[in-house]
Order: sequence, then C-alpha cells, then structure tokens
Amino acid sequence: EVQLVDSGGGLVQPGGSLRLSCAVSGFTFSDYYMDWVRQVPGKGLEWVGRIRNKPNSYSTEYAASVKGRFTISRDDSESSLYLQMNSLKTEDTAVYYCARVRGTYHSPFDYWGQGALVTVSS
Amino acid sequence: DIQMTQSPSSVSASVGDTVTITCRASQAINNWLAWYQQKPGKAPKLLIYDASSLQSGVPSRFSGSGSGTDFTLTISSLQPEDFATYYCQQANSFPRTFGGGTKVEIK
Repeated sequence: EVQLVDSGGGLVQPGGSLRLSCAVSGFTFSDYYMDWVRQVPGKGLEWVGRIRNKPNSYSTEYAASVKGRFTISRDDSESSLYLQMNSLKTEDTAVYYCARVRGTYHSPFDYWGQGALVTVSS
Repeated sequence: DIQMTQSPSSVSASVGDTVTITCRASQAINNWLAWYQQKPGKAPKLLIYDASSLQSGVPSRFSGSGSGTDFTLTISSLQPEDFATYYCQQANSFPRTFGGGTKVEIK
C-alpha cells in the first residue's frame, strides 16, 4: 500500500525556519518525482515545487512565491522528502502536502500525504 | 503563468443528478489536465488525468473531456459520497496551477 506521511508542521514566528518531512512507503521512492502543494485553510490549492529523481540530477522547480526561501530535497536511502522553509512569512501559513508525481513531465499527483499545518504568526 | 478558471464556484445538486464542472485555461495546455476531489480535512484525490483518463479505482460515473483550453468534468448519477470540492490542475508547464475549486453541495 502506498503511503505518504507528512510531519514537522507547527507554529513559527515570521522570519523563522521550519523543515517538513514526508516519509513514504509502498513504492520505490527513488524512481519518482515528488512535489509539495500547499493550501491555506478554507482556500484553494497552490503548487510549491518539485524535485526530480537521480537520473534527472535531482533538479528542482519552485513557485515564484517561495523561490529563494524554500528548498526541496530528498534522501532516497531513507525514502524521505523534505521541504526546508526559511524566512517564513505570515502568508506561508497553510497545510503543506507532499505528493507523488504519477509519471514524468506532464503527469498529475496520484498519491498525497495527509498534510502538515504550518502557522506563521507572532 | 497559466491561469485556470473553474465554473461554477459552487453547485447544489441531488443524489442521482448529473453535474458538470468546467475549467478554462488561459492558454492552450493540450490535454495535460487533471481533476481532483477533496473532502473536508482530507488530501485531494486524483480522479482524471490527461483530460479524460480515469484513475485506477475511480468510479466510472466520473468522466472528463476537452482539449486545448476548455475542459469538463462530469459526474453522472451523483452519489452521497460525491459531495466534495473539485479542482482542475494543468500539467502543461511550470508553475503548475490549479483552478479555484467547485464545491458540490447537497440540494
């Protein structure tokens, strides 16, 4: 059974940092691209970024709203995905989901974590 | 960035009804469109990909169509478990973008 478990959310002050983790099981993690998507409670979905797999040099893509502040990484040996969030702003408050990319470039997200709530507030 | 516009933003329907949701892209995206269902407090669930391909395990009452800029999600014979919010998402280019969502409510 495919499982993605998000963790690491919490309350952080503006300007602070937080690292989210996504532990996966049930599939060969190293084969897949992985994304992060966020959602302000009660609002719509916003794509955050992507990390590709080793054959694609672990290359990354980011939304303009987080570029330069957020970093996506992965540890294939631990089947884990990470989102390092620095210089956090109040507008980064959201539930953050990790998501598996079904195939390659044009593929959708076929499995999602349960989400981790990040609250940025003083 | 490609803007995705969904309509309506909400719809009231009864069990057994057919519901149609539309999604328009601000530029052509071929058929690189997905539809997701989200229930309160849960992660989104993939329903349709490549505009019209049904994800494994999704009931056949869900169907998708369209290409280019205009797309449709149809739910035939609405069931109680289908009351949820639906989102479209383009997978043509970065940044990936989602529609604003359509809430399907019980009439």
